[in-house]
Amino acid sequence: AQSVTQPDIHITVSEGASLELRCNYSYGATPYLFWYVQSPGQGLQLLLKYFSGDTLVQGIKGFEAEFKRSQSSFNLRKPSVHWSDAAEYFCAVGRVSNDYKLSFGAGTTVTVRA
Amino acid sequence: EPEVTQTPSHQVTQMGQEVILRCVPISNHLYFYWYRQILGQKVEFLVSFYNNEISEKSEIFDDQFSVERPDGSNFTLKIRSTKLEDSAMYFCASSEAELAKNIQYFGAGTRLSVL
Repeated sequence: AQSVTQPDIHITVSEGASLELRCNYSYGATPYLFWYVQSPGQGLQLLLKYFSGDTLVQGIKGFEAEFKRSQSSFNLRKPSVHWSDAAEYFCAVGRVSNDYKLSFGAGTTVTVRA
Repeated sequence: EPEVTQTPSHQVTQMGQEVILRCVPISNHLYFYWYRQILGQKVEFLVSFYNNEISEKSEIFDDQFSVERPDGSNFTLKIRSTKLEDSAMYFCASSEAELAKNIQYFGAGTRLSVL
């Protein structure tokens, strides 16, 4: 069964500093990979996705993520965070088959300090 | 921008009562999903629905749960006899096609509190 690990429960960063959120997955085949963000009172918003091709993917709000098959990782990065990036971030995996469900990590809460 | 709408945002119910959580998926989407997140835990898949039938369900989705698309716009999750452990945030999602080559759009969630 697929699983997703987000090792960091909570990260605090200063505004303007860089941010990297880690995601590792366990999967027996080529996965589809996603990052979602949830701001307070909001739904899960897709930041970016990886299906195939270029392993560095660009998303919305200045985020990018890199798929590294050898490390089973899909880490999310942003070069310079804004106070509005404070939210909870979820990594998710879907299977490349007729499997409809997403498997989510536990989430990482990002706090941005002035 | 089209969005998935869920109502109510917060539902409080007594143990043993039936609840219906409502979702309006994005209008041209064909696949519908329910997930839940118990406080402090992961978002978990419950069920997927396509062409008026369940495509896949998790072990959580037992006989107490059911889903329905009663008309062309709504997608509902019913819990027949709620238990304390059903307290969670429930997310509805929809996608234009199956997961392959497509993405799921999520609603803001319904927080269910079972007392």
